[in-house]
Amino acid sequence: AQSVTQLDSQVPVFEEAPVELRCNYSSSVSVYLFWYVQYPNQGLQLLLKYLSGSTLVKGINGFEAEFNKSQTSFHLRKPSVHISDTAEYFCAVRSNFGNEKLTFGTGTRLTIIP
Amino acid sequence: DSGVTQTPKHLITATGQRVTLRCSPRSGDLSVYWYQQSLDQGLQFLIQYYNGEERAKGNILERFSAQQFPDLHSELNLSSLELGDSALYFCASSGGSLAVGETQYFGPGTRLLVL
Repeated sequence: AQSVTQLDSQVPVFEEAPVELRCNYSSSVSVYLFWYVQYPNQGLQLLLKYLSGSTLVKGINGFEAEFNKSQTSFHLRKPSVHISDTAEYFCAVRSNFGNEKLTFGTGTRLTIIP
Repeated sequence: DSGVTQTPKHLITATGQRVTLRCSPRSGDLSVYWYQQSLDQGLQFLIQYYNGEERAKGNILERFSAQQFPDLHSELNLSSLELGDSALYFCASSGGSLAVGETQYFGPGTRLLVL
């Protein structure tokens, strides 16, 4: 079984400042890792995913994440945020074989302060 | 727009009632997943269908059931509804070819309110 911990439920950041949203996971098997974004009153949209290879993954809207196997982390970063980045961000994990279900963290609400 | 459609967008009903949520996957996708998003439980996987067959089951109550039809659309049936079933229900789809780390594309969700 897998689990995901997003320690920060809310993160306020000034516009144009950098941001890091933290994600730690637990799993007894190898996993794939995902970050999804949920804008108000919308469904989830994939930001980026780590499958294998380079540990630094670049996604849409200027976001990137780094997979750290030793620390079992997959933190999401953006060097300069915009008002339009205000949303809820979910980290998710799934086993890299067998069951394809996604296990989500509890989400981090990113609020951009003008 | 993910290409996954869900109807209805909103649903208000009373305790004890039964409702059906509908999902149409992206064109060509064989796998459909159902997730429930609630304030107390977060985002939880309910069930997955692949090309008409149940493939995986998660935290789905016995009062809930799903199916996937030959045209690949799926329905989630919720019966004997309780106040705690109020949530946002998402459908997602993927190709289902078991390709490495396939992306699941999410629909806009159906918001269910049980009064």
